Parts: sequence; structure tokens; C-alpha cells
Amino acid sequence: DAGVTQSPTHLIKTRGQQVTLRCSPKSGHDTVSWYQQALGQGPQFIFQYYEEEERQRGNFPDRFSGHQFPNYSSELNVNALLLGDSALYLCASSLVFRKITNSGANVLTFGAGSRLTVL
Amino acid sequence: RKEVEQDPGPFNVPEGATVAFNCTYSNSASQSFFWYRQDCRKEPKLLMSVYSSGNEDGRFTAQLNRASQYISLLIRDSKLSDSATYLCVVYSGGGADGLTFGKGTHLIIQP
Repeated sequence: DAGVTQSPTHLIKTRGQQVTLRCSPKSGHDTVSWYQQALGQGPQFIFQYYEEEERQRGNFPDRFSGHQFPNYSSELNVNALLLGDSALYLCASSLVFRKITNSGANVLTFGAGSRLTVL
Repeated sequence: RKEVEQDPGPFNVPEGATVAFNCTYSNSASQSFFWYRQDCRKEPKLLMSVYSSGNEDGRFTAQLNRASQYISLLIRDSKLSDSATYLCVVYSGGGADGLTFGKGTHLIIQP
């Protein structure tokens, strides 16, 4: 049973460029959330996709956009890259939150992340 | 006041010792609480949920104090493999936007 897979694992871009990161959720999960984790910080919520729509969004500018496909996989796009966008981008899959019980077992399963460096 | 606060450490602890660290949260309406473990340059992984009555999983014990708004994690008989960053995660409802991660506490177990 494959877990959450992300690609690419590492990439280097220059300021002003655009990047697309990809995520395949864990089998049985229908919801994908994206997080940005800067060095020494906790993950920060970017947005969540369910049923191919953005359902919730954190405090990130419109340069950050996404998509979810019918097979539940997802993409994160970042336009006009800034140096401050350098971070580990984590995809996490889950069942849609309203289906989550108090048990933490299915809250979030993270992928290994895509480490983005902006020069 | 930050929503979820943790002492970043590092906590340097000899192998075999007991170590404990806390996490405070600001939203009194928070519903669920979790500890995640994150190894260096890896993804966070769920370590354990924190239940109101406290819960134990092997050498790990998690407790919740709603009155003082903190959760704790205690590790007994620490192993070298316990070296990691421990992220406190608090869920305040309302979907994914209600899940807040602390910055993590860095634990180093020394031989």
C-alpha cells in the first residue's frame, strides 16, 4: 500500500520562475493538503483540496495555486518565485476532515516533501 | 501570543534517561491534540494522539491539561533512535485550516 508520494524531491529555481510540485495521496484518502515548512519552523498550511476544489486556504498569496485531479492526485503551483519561497513543501493526504473521528490515526499522512531552493 | 508554542531546544539527554517537554496552546476551544515526530530532512509522522485521560504507547506517554492549556510528551528509557524533532499539533475544528503545528522541540539523545 503506497503512502503519499511527491515529486520532484529536490529542485532549484531562480527568482521569478514558476514551479509545479506533484502529489499522489495514500490509497483510500480523498483529500490533499499542502504545507510549506521553512527551516526551523513548523509546517504552515497553504490549502486543501477535496472533490477537485480548493476547500480551505491558509495565509498565502495568490501566487500559490493548486489543482486536484479525479484520481485525487494534486499539484501545487507557485508563480513569480521569491527567495523566501525556499522551503520544504509537504503534501499530506487524509479523509475529508468531517469524517475524521477523534482518533489521530487518519488525520494526516505526509509525503517526503519537495525541497525547493530559490536562488 | 502564538497559537501553539514549544521550546525549540535542543534538549540534550543521555541514553536511558527520561525526558519530557510541553506544548502550550492558546485556543481554549481546541478539540484534538497530537504529537508528530520529524527526523532531520524527513516528513512529519504521527507519533500519537493525546486523549483527555492521557495515554501511553510503550515508552511514550502523552497528557493533556485543558485547564492550563498544555499537552506534554514524556519519553522513558530514551534511545538513540528517539533523536528527532517533536511537533505539537492542535486541531481547533473547521477543517484543515484549524490544524496548527508548533515549531517543534529538537531532542538529541547522546550515547
